[in-house]
Amino acid sequence: DAGVTQSPTHLIKTRGQQVTLRCSPKSGHDTVSWYQQALGQGPQFIFQYYEEEERQRGNFPDRFSGHQFPNYSSELNVNALLLGDSALYLCASSLFQGAVETQYFGPGTRLLVL
Amino acid sequence: GDSVTQMEGPVTLSEEAFLTINCTYTATGYPSLFWYVQYPGEGLQLLLKATKADDKGSNKGFEATYRKETTSFHLEKGSVQVSDSAVYFCALRDTGGFKTIFGAGTRLFVKA
Repeated sequence: DAGVTQSPTHLIKTRGQQVTLRCSPKSGHDTVSWYQQALGQGPQFIFQYYEEEERQRGNFPDRFSGHQFPNYSSELNVNALLLGDSALYLCASSLFQGAVETQYFGPGTRLLVL
Repeated sequence: GDSVTQMEGPVTLSEEAFLTINCTYTATGYPSLFWYVQYPGEGLQLLLKATKADDKGSNKGFEATYRKETTSFHLEKGSVQVSDSAVYFCALRDTGGFKTIFGAGTRLFVKA
């Protein structure tokens, strides 16, 4: 059973560019969340997708957008990149079964903005 | 808002020493509590969880007990190994909520 997969593993961009990161959830999971982890910090919630809709959003600007496809995979798009967007971007999938759900994380995409 | 505070690292121990990493939380509801571990260059792995007061989560020799009265979820292991060297994150999720809130992480170094 494949776990959560993310692509690419590493990415280098320059300021002002746009980037798309991809995530395939664990088999059977229908919910995808994205997190940003700056160096030496804990992950910060960006948003969550369920049934192809953004269900909740964290404190991130509109430059961060996403999409979920019918097969539950997801993309994270970041426009007008800033140096401060350099971070590890983590995707987590889960199956919402009521009050408690457990998230399973992918290995992340490390983005460097120059 | 909800938050998680964990002890600052790094924590350096000798092999077979006892480990405690403190974690306290602030939440308006009745959250589920988690410990995640991150090995160098990797994503997060769920280590253990507890969903209600007095629950004890355990896995791979690690334990943590959900203490509502002290709003704590301290991570313990009786005898650490070099392979336990990693960053440990305490986290919470509100009942019915959709996001997980993480602490800043505690780096653990175990010396042979």
